[in-house]
Amino acid sequence: ETGVTQSPTHLIKTRGQQVTLRCSSQSGHNTVSWYQQALGQGPQFIFQYYREEENGRGNFPPRFSGLQFPNYSSELNVNALELDDSALYLCASSMGGNTEAFFGQGTRLTVV
Amino acid sequence: AQSVSQHNHHVILSEAASLELGCNYSYGGTVNLFWYVQYPGQHLQLLLKYFSGDPLVKGIKGFEAEFIKSKFSFNLRKPSVQWSDTAEYFCAANPSNTGNQFYFGTGTSLTVIP
Repeated sequence: ETGVTQSPTHLIKTRGQQVTLRCSSQSGHNTVSWYQQALGQGPQFIFQYYREEENGRGNFPPRFSGLQFPNYSSELNVNALELDDSALYLCASSMGGNTEAFFGQGTRLTVV
Repeated sequence: AQSVSQHNHHVILSEAASLELGCNYSYGGTVNLFWYVQYPGQHLQLLLKYFSGDPLVKGIKGFEAEFIKSKFSFNLRKPSVQWSDTAEYFCAANPSNTGNQFYFGTGTSLTVIP
């Protein structure tokens, strides 16, 4: 167990819908990152939040957005879902730059 | 652009065989390097990490990796694999000026035959 929990574990949505995924970071961690892992691929960095502010973003369109709350938990929101958004979404938390990140088990999103 | 390449996509070994998985990264600045393992149905777990210092780092479960700066490589090794090492292995680079932005390779699937 890493102390990073994600919910839900599985989700099925229809193309065009919106989805919110949640992550509770490990106690004491102020940085949360989100990753998309397509089948057979390595995780791809979506964005990162540090103390409630986005401070890094990968090559993902604006319909991927997020939030970090005062308790450092986080949400990933995806609007206008597309079939290619089907993937495992991973959340990772850490104590900041140049430290180890701990990953949750992920949310498996299927878009039909 | 930053990238991480893992050259071995699928590796099949017999128990007690030696393992070496290749990893090369593309980044000109200071970078932290990691190997993560993903057992079937489980979350990513850290095997080992390199930030600075001794380029030969030892991790959990008998794994080690060597950072060779001139080759931009961080290969993973284990002298004698076990059936329980069957898993997906990911190399990741974290440029030191990006907080915790990790760039992962595509992964290597290791199957160890008893």
